[in-house]
Amino acid sequence: NAGVTQTPKFQVLKTGQSMTLQCAQDMNHEYMSWYRQDPGMGLRLIHYSVGAGITDQGEVPNGYNVSRSTTEDFPLRLLSAAPSQTSVYFCASSSAGKGYEQYFGPGTRLTVT
Amino acid sequence: GQQVMQIPQYQHVQEGEDFTTYCNSSTTLSNIQWYKQRPGGHPVFLIQLVKSGEVKKQKRLTFQFGEAKKNSSLHITATQTTDVGTYFCAEANSGYALNFGKGTSLLVTP
Repeated sequence: NAGVTQTPKFQVLKTGQSMTLQCAQDMNHEYMSWYRQDPGMGLRLIHYSVGAGITDQGEVPNGYNVSRSTTEDFPLRLLSAAPSQTSVYFCASSSAGKGYEQYFGPGTRLTVT
Repeated sequence: GQQVMQIPQYQHVQEGEDFTTYCNSSTTLSNIQWYKQRPGGHPVFLIQLVKSGEVKKQKRLTFQFGEAKKNSSLHITATQTTDVGTYFCAEANSGYALNFGKGTSLLVTP
């Protein structure tokens, strides 16, 4: 199993540009989440999904959209990038059958200039 | 979401010394999970505690959940350079979306 994969690893955007961060998992986990990590702030939840077709907002959802058309994929869209969205983004998946242990992807480091 | 407070923010120890990080909440926690993140890496699950007063051990690591389920601790005995990283506690809200503390960064000097 590849686990949780994320692409790209690094990205530089200009203010106002849009892009999609990709996340995929091959463990058939029902739950998937997106977090952002900023220095001294820990990890903050952006959006999460409890299954295909079902998503909900986390602590910091503004400026981001998600969709979950399949169990495997959970892309995160930045609609109009802002410098405040410069961060490291982690995708994670979990399953009730695994005690909700979160499996994290390797992360995407995003810089918005 | 409710705040999970974690202290200290940083800890610098000599190899062989012990290390403890604490996680506190003003309200009762349904559970607590602990993660380790190596520099430049991603968080990796260590353990989950669910029961009041629960104590679990993994080699040199001891995890405790308070009797009132409002605090938790991670203790490392005789630190090694491989213990370097940031340790996070998190409550699993509804089981699948985590509310993280801000983490404790551990630096171990040989």
